[in-house]
Amino acid sequence: EAGVTQSPTHLIKTRGQQATLRCSPISGHTSVYWYQQALGLGLQFLLWYDEGEERNRGNFPPRFSGRQFPNYSSELNVNALELEDSALYLCASSRAQNIQYFGAGTRLSVL
Amino acid sequence: LAKTTQPISMDSYEGQEVNITCSHNNIATNDYITWYQQFPSQGPRFIIQGYKTKVTNEVASLFIPADRKSSTLSLPRVSLSDTAVYYCLVGENSNSGYALNFGKGTSLLVTP
Repeated sequence: EAGVTQSPTHLIKTRGQQATLRCSPISGHTSVYWYQQALGLGLQFLLWYDEGEERNRGNFPPRFSGRQFPNYSSELNVNALELEDSALYLCASSRAQNIQYFGAGTRLSVL
Repeated sequence: LAKTTQPISMDSYEGQEVNITCSHNNIATNDYITWYQQFPSQGPRFIIQGYKTKVTNEVASLFIPADRKSSTLSLPRVSLSDTAVYYCLVGENSNSGYALNFGKGTSLLVTP
């Protein structure tokens, strides 16, 4: 069974640009979570999607947004990139609110 | 959401048993305790989850006292590859909404 897959692995953008990160959950999982992990810090919860709806949101500005598609895959969009958005963005999936399984992440670098 | 407190770091030698304790004084009745392991630049990996008493799997054991205000992750005979950050999380395992708070975890260093 395939795990959670994220793309791209690395993404380099300049300040002010937009970034789109993608996540495919484990087959059968309906919930997708996004986390941000800045260098040397713990994971900060960003967004939670379940059955196509946004269920919960962390303490991040509105320029962080996303969506979940009918096949349960998800996109995270970050608009008007700032230098401090440079981080590892992790996606996790689960069945309902059970154990979360993580992908390898997308390393976003904002120059 | 119950707050958790773990040691910032721990050191161990290869072959020893490592016990990492997490305190969660405000744990709610419906909360489960879950531990994850994370290597640098990788996503966290689920280790073990429990509600009360003791849970054991092929990787670790989780000890939870009767009052559930703390839990201890036990890693038997650690190896160098167990060097990682370990996170303790507390949250509901239900359909109500919640966000997992990973905190900064415990950085375990295993040396020869």
